[in-house]
Amino acid sequence: SQQGEEDPQALSIQEGENATMNCSYKTSINNLQWYRQNSGRGLVHLILIRSNEREKHSGRLRVTLDTSKKSSSLLITASRAADTASYFCASNAGGTSYGKLTFGQGTILTVHP
Amino acid sequence: ETGVTQTPRHLVMGMTNKKSLKCEQHLGHNAMYWYKQSAKKPLELMFVYNFKEQTENNSVPSRFSPECPNSSHLFLHLHTLQPEDSALYLCASSQDMARPYNEQFFGPGTRLTVL
Repeated sequence: SQQGEEDPQALSIQEGENATMNCSYKTSINNLQWYRQNSGRGLVHLILIRSNEREKHSGRLRVTLDTSKKSSSLLITASRAADTASYFCASNAGGTSYGKLTFGQGTILTVHP
Repeated sequence: ETGVTQTPRHLVMGMTNKKSLKCEQHLGHNAMYWYKQSAKKPLELMFVYNFKEQTENNSVPSRFSPECPNSSHLFLHLHTLQPEDSALYLCASSQDMARPYNEQFFGPGTRLTVL
């Protein structure tokens, strides 16, 4: 089964608008992380939310986690053209492999100036 | 810069060539990872090393051979690759595998093209 499915697959918005991306996962998690990737580059960690947390903020980012629905969302407020990138959620099941992350396919966000 | 470097950034090789990808981290981390990123597929974990010991081999074909001589360096040796192995290969590091709330730090990747 596939873990960490994001939707939408692509999102196009105007600068200043908010962008919401959703992620679903299949198995129980210890934590869920969001990463950003600019075209053809490495991933950059954005935010981590623990399984016992429901919401977390970091600057213009807001992440929610609903473990009963096995889903998470990433909200970017007041988007900027520089936010154009791919965004990935990654679930961490914990247990004996805390370092092992399972990534989703990502959401491609385009912010038009 | 994330503190993780990868060389080369681009590599074109024939199916009979042998080449190696190099990753170095300057973060004092003890866990290192190789991922494969292909178009329209999720990031695939290939290998994991924790304190220089391989802890994960995610059913990767033997034409990919990892090496971790110390906690700062990770190599991926390539031989007799197939065109479908063309992808972006990403290296990452984290503090170690025992901490539950580790973030991973990624290098910029090596874009590999197999002809």
